[in-house]
Amino acid sequence: EVQLVESGGGLVQSGGSLRLSCAASGFTFSNYALNWVRQAPGKGLEWVSGISGSGTNIYYADSVKGRFTISRDTSKNTVYLQMNSLRAEDMAVYYCAKAHPYSYGYDRPYYFDYWGQGALVTVSS
Amino acid sequence: IQMTQSPSTLSASVGDTVTITCRASQSISSWLAWYQQKPGKAPKLLIYMASSLESGVPSRFGGSGSGTEFTLTISSLQPDDFATYYCQQYNSYSPWTFGQGTKVEIK
Repeated sequence: EVQLVESGGGLVQSGGSLRLSCAASGFTFSNYALNWVRQAPGKGLEWVSGISGSGTNIYYADSVKGRFTISRDTSKNTVYLQMNSLRAEDMAVYYCAKAHPYSYGYDRPYYFDYWGQGALVTVSS
Repeated sequence: IQMTQSPSTLSASVGDTVTITCRASQSISSWLAWYQQKPGKAPKLLIYMASSLESGVPSRFGGSGSGTEFTLTISSLQPDDFATYYCQQYNSYSPWTFGQGTKVEIK
């Protein structure tokens, strides 16, 4: 059974930093890209960042480029999102989402077939 | 690529057939997925490749379309179907983007 468990959320001051973790199980970790998608309170879904199974290809939304860093540790089956210079508009539930590729062995295109339960990030001013 | 859903809210009764439309700002071929989200829960994949039903999803859910216009149809709406639905494009050459969501509520 595929499981994605996020942790590391919490309250942080504007301008501060936080690191989210997503522990994955139930699939061959290095074979699949993983992504972060966020949802501000009462709002829709916004893709934030993605990393390929090998870690070679990394993608960021323009809204977080230069402030957020995604990484993965195959030895721990965990993907991370380091968030720096946090702003009020970064406050959201952050979901970890596993990729389902159109063709195995290729990075993109892919959609998200499994999601974690989410981690709440609150940014105070 | 911008994704625009309509309507934003839809009121319906159990047993109704409902249709949600999603339009892309440029052609995305069939690289479109639909998700269902209930309050306080993570999104759940329903449809991928515009019309392929994810395993375990009831057959009353159906997707169609290609290029820039897509629809999600729910036949014979069940109490469990009252939720918010999002479309998402996932073509290879641009960031993943979602529609703004359509809330299906009880009439």
